[in-house]
Formats: sequence, structure tokens, C-alpha cells
Amino acid sequence: AQSVTQLGSHVSVSEGALVLLRCNYSSSVPPYLFWYVQYPNQGLQLLLKYTTGATLVKGINGFEAEFKKSETSFHLTKPSAHMSDAAEYFCAVEPHNQGGKLIFGQGTELSVKP
Amino acid sequence: EAGVTQSPTHLIKTRGQQATLRCSPISGHTSVYWYQQALGLGLQFLLWYDEGEERNRGNFPPRFSGRQFPNYSSELNVNALELEDSALYLCASSSGQGPTGELFFGEGSRLTVL
Repeated sequence: AQSVTQLGSHVSVSEGALVLLRCNYSSSVPPYLFWYVQYPNQGLQLLLKYTTGATLVKGINGFEAEFKKSETSFHLTKPSAHMSDAAEYFCAVEPHNQGGKLIFGQGTELSVKP
Repeated sequence: EAGVTQSPTHLIKTRGQQATLRCSPISGHTSVYWYQQALGLGLQFLLWYDEGEERNRGNFPPRFSGRQFPNYSSELNVNALELEDSALYLCASSSGQGPTGELFFGEGSRLTVL
């Protein structure tokens, strides 16, 4: 069965520092890949997605992620953290031919220190 | 444009009772998805409805069921409630075009089973 692993349940960075949230998936066939963000007491919001084509994907709020097939990774980065980035981030995959079924990682809570 | 709306926001039930959660998708979206976000278990796929039909189902017992109405709104029913059903239930919708993982989530219904 496919799975998603997010390294680090909690990540803390200083404001202005680089944000790096790690995501690895297990699949023999590259699935569709997503990052979602969840702010407190809110639903999930799509940050970015990879389906095909360019492996560096840009999303909202200055985030980007790079699909690396050889490493089965889809790490999320942002050059400079802002206080408003504090939230929980979820990596997810959609296996091919499994429409509607996203498999989520356990989530990484990002804290941003002033 | 109104987003995905869910009701009720909070629901408290006792073991053995039934719970009904409702979801209205974004206007124009035909697909509705249900996910369970339970403490310690992360986000798990429950059900996917499209055009009134159940298209995919996660690994949940049959006492989790639902339906989609002609106006594309949806209802999730949980029968014979157990303590471990306490969770945030998230509904999402999509236009059903392209990779179906681009979901728009509601803020969820928090179910507490006592």
C-alpha cells in the first residue's frame, strides 16, 4: 500500500529563515503529489500540486516544492518564513486510478519564532 | 463565491447513537469527498461521491455511509457510534476535472462521542 512520510511532526524556524518541510512517498509509479496547509480551526487549503511536467512547482504564499523521482520526495520550501506561515502542513498523494482518495502524511506543525 | 459549507460545526452524541453530518459543495462542483481527522490517526479518506454515485470508499466499516443529493450536497451518516469515532470530519469538493486531488475543504464538523 502506498504511504506518505513527513519527517518531523514539529518544525520551528525563526522569522525570515528558510522553511523546509520534508515529504517522502512510497510508490513504484509516481503519484500525483500535493501539499495542503491547515490553519487552526480551519479546513485544509491547497498550497501546490505536482501532476506532470516541470518538477519544481510554485504555489501560493511563496511556497514551492520539487518532485524528485529518484528520491521519491516532494519537499516543501519557502525562502523566508513569516509569522503567518505558522500552521500544520500536510503532504498527500493521489495514487493513479484511485480517484478521490488522497493519502495524507501525518502532518508537520510549523512554528515561526519572532 | 461561497466555499464548502458543513453543518453542524459541533455535534455531541453518546455511544450507540447515530450522527448525521451535512455538506454543501462549491457551486458547480459535482464531486464530494469525506475525510476523517482523528487525533493520532491523521487524515483518512472515507468516501467519494460524484454525480450522485459512490465512486470510492476508504477502509471504514459499513456503519459509515452517505449519499449525494441531486443538488450535489452530501450527507455522512455514522451509525452505532463508538468512542473512537470522535474526530473532525472534513468534507471537500472538486469540479471532477483533471486530477481529482485538487480538493476544496470545508472547516469540518467536530463529532464527540461520549
